[in-house]
Amino acid sequence: EADIYQTPRYLVIGTGKKITLECSQTMGHDKMYWYQQDPGMELHLIHYSYGVNSTEKGDLSSESTVSRIRTEHFPLTLESARPSHTSQYLCASSDGVNYGYTFGSGTRLTVV
Amino acid sequence: DQQVKQNSPSLSVQEGRISILNCDYTNSMFDYFLWYKKYPAEGPTFLISISSIKDKNEDGRFTVFLNKSAKHLSLHIVPSQPGDSAVYFCAVSEYGNKLVFGAGTILRVKS
Repeated sequence: EADIYQTPRYLVIGTGKKITLECSQTMGHDKMYWYQQDPGMELHLIHYSYGVNSTEKGDLSSESTVSRIRTEHFPLTLESARPSHTSQYLCASSDGVNYGYTFGSGTRLTVV
Repeated sequence: DQQVKQNSPSLSVQEGRISILNCDYTNSMFDYFLWYKKYPAEGPTFLISISSIKDKNEDGRFTVFLNKSAKHLSLHIVPSQPGDSAVYFCAVSEYGNKLVFGAGTILRVKS
């Protein structure tokens, strides 16, 4: 049973639209992450948060933004989607004690 | 500049035989190493991990080996099963900081 939820699972959207990818976890984890992955490539960290009202950019530059108003919720927003944003977006969380992350099922985004 | 390299994009193995997946890293400060498994259209799931104070960790059919001097780790799956067919990602961490992932190896186990 998944403890971290991402919606939608799949999204096809037109260029220029604003979108928000949702991520919620029920484990009470302080640390949350957004990764972007293209087929056959590494998972690239684009945003992370170590607690409420704390967000940082990751190693891969991204035009997306995130917010962390509640511990359990870490949404990612693209103000104006472009075809170059087409990718899989993976949300993860960790308790900061164990090094492993728990991942959501991901959102497959296609911008046409 | 890739810090974690999985040089084999894919691997095909017969059911019942051993699967060996490899991973190389560049930073000797990494102190925790993990393997994740990913099925299509799903998020990665944690498989097994090892800290830098060990050179081997076993969990059922899965064993991870760490060679710090060579900056190399490997995952052995014995015996391989068709359900093991997935993408396997190596991930590394320095002092509990953010995980850095490799590009993954596609494992196909043929029955």
